[in-house]
Amino acid sequence: ETGVTQTPRHLVMGMTNKKSLKCEQHLGHNAMYWYKQSAKKPLELMFVYNFKEQTENNSVPSRFSPECPNSSHLFLHLHTLQPEDSALYLCASSQDYRGSEAFFGQGTRLTVV
Amino acid sequence: AQSVTQLGSHVSVSEGALVLLRCNYSSSVPPYLFWYVQYPNQGLQLLLKYTSAATLVKGINGFEAEFKKSETSFHLTKPSAHMSDAAEYFCAVSDISGTSYGKLTFGQGTILTVHP
Repeated sequence: ETGVTQTPRHLVMGMTNKKSLKCEQHLGHNAMYWYKQSAKKPLELMFVYNFKEQTENNSVPSRFSPECPNSSHLFLHLHTLQPEDSALYLCASSQDYRGSEAFFGQGTRLTVV
Repeated sequence: AQSVTQLGSHVSVSEGALVLLRCNYSSSVPPYLFWYVQYPNQGLQLLLKYTSAATLVKGINGFEAEFKKSETSFHLTKPSAHMSDAAEYFCAVSDISGTSYGKLTFGQGTILTVHP
């Protein structure tokens, strides 16, 4: 496989469930990102990881818990979500230098019921 | 902090017509700028990027963008629209501060509709 792969592509979960989103990149990048894309809102950066270390958390509620076990894998653990958390969650990776473009996965469409 | 503003949330053109999608940026230092395209239920795909090598940047699928410092703009154009160009387009600027240079700040997006 090449590029950035996200699983699952679609997820429906109840507000009391616990689920995880997975992202894997085969590009040799050292930075990985979670973005949230909601209808009629700009892409929102949630978390940034560089060399497995979390370097940014944009005031994301604690019901979203990221994990980065190595530079190739990124997870987003979800628990007790709210309906307004329904969105497309996008993972991206890049090299960590100015001008480096981000490569995106196809996203996970999350619906909270 | 850097920011980008995309003028027009929706643009509609006829097939074969010129495509012009507008993007203005705000940055205290020379920016690195990007255009991405997103098809329905897909991730974002890079169209082109500006990294100061040349002000006119050519990308994939016949798109190009011109960096104009005096106007703080980076508009995306294509001479002749195809039906397959219908998608949402995002302008983005690279972060210059903080802990990750690869982090991008995105505009609100412009939905391009192409009519037969």
